[in-house]
Amino acid sequence: AQSVTQLGSHVSVSEGALVLLRCNYSSSVPPYLFWYVQYPNQGLQLLLKYTTGATLVKGINGFEAEFKKSETSFHLTKPSAHMSDAAEYFCAVSYFGNEKLTFGTGTRLTIIP
Amino acid sequence: EAQVTQNPRYLITVTGKKLTVTCSQNMNHEYMSWYRQDPGLGLRQIYYSMNVEVTDKGDVPEGYKVSRKEKRNFPLILESPSPNQTSLYFCASSLSQGALAGAVTGELFFGEGSRLTVL
Repeated sequence: AQSVTQLGSHVSVSEGALVLLRCNYSSSVPPYLFWYVQYPNQGLQLLLKYTTGATLVKGINGFEAEFKKSETSFHLTKPSAHMSDAAEYFCAVSYFGNEKLTFGTGTRLTIIP
Repeated sequence: EAQVTQNPRYLITVTGKKLTVTCSQNMNHEYMSWYRQDPGLGLRQIYYSMNVEVTDKGDVPEGYKVSRKEKRNFPLILESPSPNQTSLYFCASSLSQGALAGAVTGELFFGEGSRLTVL
């Protein structure tokens, strides 16, 4: 079964510091990978996705993620955290031939002023 | 405005009283799905639909029903709600991918959520 693991349910970084949120997937076939963000009292919205092509993917709000097949990872980064980045972040995976999109358990990001 | 609309947004009910959470999208999307969100468990898929009259179970379908009679609507039915169905529910929709249909590769658009409490 497809799955993703997000390391760290809570991450705190100082404003202006690097943001790194970790996601690993389990798969024997090529995955499609996504990062979604959920702001308080809202639904989720897409930050970025990897389907095929370039392994470094840029998303909205200055976020990017790199697909590393050898490490089965898709970590999310942002060079400089902003207060508005405080939210919950979800990694998700799907595969061709499987019509499900499976989410990780989420990482709550707190920004320290 | 492109959107996914869920109703009700908040509901408190009692065990065994049938309820329906409606979901409607105005983007002509083929794919629709229901998720529940619980603390520490992330989002878990309940049911999904690749198109009209085509529905399939997700990871946690027990206690739920769905129907897809029209492309825009995908209601979630709890025939006999129980306290373990207290949760935050999200409906989402996406375009199918043509030749890549058979995988979710496009962006999922989410509703604002329906918070359900079953006493």
